[in-house]
Amino acid sequence: DTEVTQTPKHLVMGMTNKKSLKCEQHMGHRAMYWYKQKAKKPPELMFVYSYEKLSINESVPSRFSPECPNSSLLNLHLHALQPEDSALYLCASSQVPGTTDTQYFGPGTRLTVL
Amino acid sequence: RKEVEQDPGPFNVPEGATVAFNCTYSNSASQSFFWYRQDCRKEPKLLMSVYSSGNEDGRFTAQLNRASQYISLLIRDSKLSDSATYLCAVKGRGSTLGRLYFGRGTQLTVWP
Repeated sequence: DTEVTQTPKHLVMGMTNKKSLKCEQHMGHRAMYWYKQKAKKPPELMFVYSYEKLSINESVPSRFSPECPNSSLLNLHLHALQPEDSALYLCASSQVPGTTDTQYFGPGTRLTVL
Repeated sequence: RKEVEQDPGPFNVPEGATVAFNCTYSNSASQSFFWYRQDCRKEPKLLMSVYSSGNEDGRFTAQLNRASQYISLLIRDSKLSDSATYLCAVKGRGSTLGRLYFGRGTQLTVWP
């Protein structure tokens, strides 16, 4: 089973709101990822967690705050977002962040910032 | 120069046609190569991993040419259900460990 789940599926928030996106996998994967995808563009990497530690931050603005409470869960805390942050936010996981392991994506959260 | 270059298309082909997509990558030390399929407003789903000299899965054949630094995807006997965006992805090594570089995606429409 290569399932990654994400909640919520859709989220509409104002620029002053605080919300969180959640991602979960039960495949025993030790690497988890957050991507942002705008329409007709490829996914853009935001963060990588390896063994529950943040290993890559792609210079993402601080209004996005990732958290990895345990090896199965990944959160993305959102605060004071801008309308241009509206996008599909994808979570992915892989066995380990090595060179050959495959990343499996969750269904994404479609975020609209008003 | 982008890590991965991919022709965005669109490709519009009739059912039963054979269609091929190419992707070039800039880092000669890249180790892993993938093709993902993405339907409209859905997540990317792994179609095929591409290792060594390539591999085949039913109507789909993926090939890797390390000398010229490109990967290709061939779809034979196209079905209506093959309509989607196809993303190539390349994984680096060393300091880029874990980072997956995507091409911009090639849009395919198969018409009856």
